[in-house]
Amino acid sequence: GAGVSQSPSNKVTEKGKDVELRCDPISGHTALYWYRQSLGQGLEFLIYFQGNSAPDKSGLPSDRFSAERTGGSVSTLTIQRTQQEDSAVYLCASSLGAGAKDTQYFGPGTRLTVL
Amino acid sequence: AQSVAQPEDQVNVAEGNPLTVKCTYSVSGNPYLFWYVQYPNRGLQFLLKYITGDNLVKGSYGFEAEFNKSQTSFHLKKPSALVSDSALYFCAVSQGGKLIFGQGTELSVKP
Repeated sequence: GAGVSQSPSNKVTEKGKDVELRCDPISGHTALYWYRQSLGQGLEFLIYFQGNSAPDKSGLPSDRFSAERTGGSVSTLTIQRTQQEDSAVYLCASSLGAGAKDTQYFGPGTRLTVL
Repeated sequence: AQSVAQPEDQVNVAEGNPLTVKCTYSVSGNPYLFWYVQYPNRGLQFLLKYITGDNLVKGSYGFEAEFNKSQTSFHLKKPSALVSDSALYFCAVSQGGKLIFGQGTELSVKP
């Protein structure tokens, strides 16, 4: 079946602009996660959604970052007023449940470059 | 807080030789441990996980991992390395559903 998809695959933007990154999870998966991969910080958790529960935003680095999940499926990660330190690969993952034992399946990522 | 450490930034092995990629963990309670592989310009691919039960876990592409509670380790192994195994490997521990990753180990398999 189809895996997790993300768009765009690459995004180049100017400092100060807003960007939106999209994630389509595996059909039927109730949990959706966003991570960031950068040279300096490695792989770090940003936010996750589970069903209709309030999202866990504990990993968001600043209030310029936000995310939403519409209809329990597609998610959008928005970065406002981008900074050069936001340059990274943004990875989305989904899992059948949100328990600690559930396997997360990752998309190919969106490479964000802030000039 | 939960954490994992991968003590080697890079591991080099010859094709056909056994390989080991090391991971140690620090958790409170029962650990749920995962291994992922990342090929260049690709997302993470799930290899295997330890939840409970048998300490030897078998996964995709001939990989296996041994959970050792006394040494708090979860090393990834393969009996015979392939050039195509060359990639970046991540160990992770699940914390309330969130994955906490190690810094990654670059595996290079030479012919």
